Amino acid sequence: DAGVIQSPRHEVTEMGQEVTLRCKPISGHNSLFWYRQTMMRGLELLIYFNNNVPIDDSGMPEDRFSAKMPNASFSTLKIQPSEPRDSAVYFCASIVGTNTGELFFGEGSRLTVL
Amino acid sequence: GENVGLHLPTLSVQEGDNSIINCAYSNSASDYFIWYKQESGKGPQFIIDIRSNMDKRQGQRVTVLLNKTVKHLSLQIAATQPGDSAVYFCAESPRYSKLTFGTGTRLQVTL
Repeated sequence: DAGVIQSPRHEVTEMGQEVTLRCKPISGHNSLFWYRQTMMRGLELLIYFNNNVPIDDSGMPEDRFSAKMPNASFSTLKIQPSEPRDSAVYFCASIVGTNTGELFFGEGSRLTVL
Repeated sequence: GENVGLHLPTLSVQEGDNSIINCAYSNSASDYFIWYKQESGKGPQFIIDIRSNMDKRQGQRVTVLLNKTVKHLSLQIAATQPGDSAVYFCAESPRYSKLTFGTGTRLQVTL
């Protein structure tokens, strides 16, 4: 079992550039979550999908952020344009079903926006 | 992962001692609680969960206690080992998978 796979692991970009983070959930898991972790705000839920459909995007900071899940094995989180305050570690997590809190997290994508 | 560095409360325990990590939650509607462990550079990892109709649940070397009256959750780790060094987060949810995470506690195990 390869676990949740995220890419890139590290990204350094300049303000105004587009950033795309990618996630491959565990095969067979039908719910996927994007979290952001910062020193100031801790772990925040940005959006989650169930069966590829966005269920709750109330945590998405603003219109600069968008997430897609075109199929059961792939999701993207895009920031356009990026700003320095977007610097954080972004985690993807997946689970089977919705009646559990046992999320399986990837190792995260550390984003630095200069 | 980026653990909340200098601002995290830290618990230092000696190897072999028991550890108790505490968490206060705020949402009275929460009825499902989970503990996660995050090692440096990694994503959070599930440890144990408890539902609101229970006040205690045990796993391997870990016990979670829930006091809904005072909205308090604790994680007890028996015979703490160096590999237990990490940041520990409690999380709460009014329904299972939409979790709200606490700010975390850093556990340092000294030899």
